[in-house]
Amino acid sequence: DQQVKQNSPSLSVQEGRISILNCDYTNSMFDYFLWYKKYPAEGPTFLISISSIKDKNEDGRFTVFLNKSAKHLSLHIVPSQPGDSAVYFCAAIDGGGYNKLIFGAGTRLAVHP
Amino acid sequence: DTEVTQTPKHLVMGMTNKKSLKCEQHMGHRAMYWYKQKAKKPPELMFVYSYEKLSINESVPSRFSPECPNSSLLNLHLHALQPEDSALYLCASSQAGTVAGNTIYFGEGSWLTVV
Repeated sequence: DQQVKQNSPSLSVQEGRISILNCDYTNSMFDYFLWYKKYPAEGPTFLISISSIKDKNEDGRFTVFLNKSAKHLSLHIVPSQPGDSAVYFCAAIDGGGYNKLIFGAGTRLAVHP
Repeated sequence: DTEVTQTPKHLVMGMTNKKSLKCEQHMGHRAMYWYKQKAKKPPELMFVYSYEKLSINESVPSRFSPECPNSSLLNLHLHALQPEDSALYLCASSQAGTVAGNTIYFGEGSWLTVV
């Protein structure tokens, strides 16, 4: 039972354009969401997060949008740069007191010149 | 400083060996985690320690034995592993509790190959 879904395994974007990565979740009890970026052979690097009490959070080129009613969030990267090419994981915190992080399957972003 | 340090970066071990993976953080975090990641899959939670006590064990086989000697260190002891246990093992840390705004920081991982 996949509680966090990233239905697009890959995305290809031209440099300078906007990259939009999508994520859906099924558990309405999730109240905090994070995006991680991962290069091969490295650990995930935290990018940006959003609490369920907000619908938008922005940090430089990265913006995360949350639509609670649709149980959907998206990560916008603008402008996209070749160095953004990596696998992006959406993750949700499962409450219960222990910060259990549930990951989506990941989307591989390729930004080409 | 948001660094979680893992050693070794790479480990090759036989099925009869006993080895350990080590993790260290100096962010004052009181929650530490072990995740396992297989190729082309997302990380999967193995263990959670909160205030040096084991809080979650995701039904991990006993050949994996976690240990949290103090608030900065987390070990994963390995014994009698199988080739299918070969994976990237990720350590992470965060503030304890589910306060919104907690961020979980990951280390670079330890690549384990069981032969």
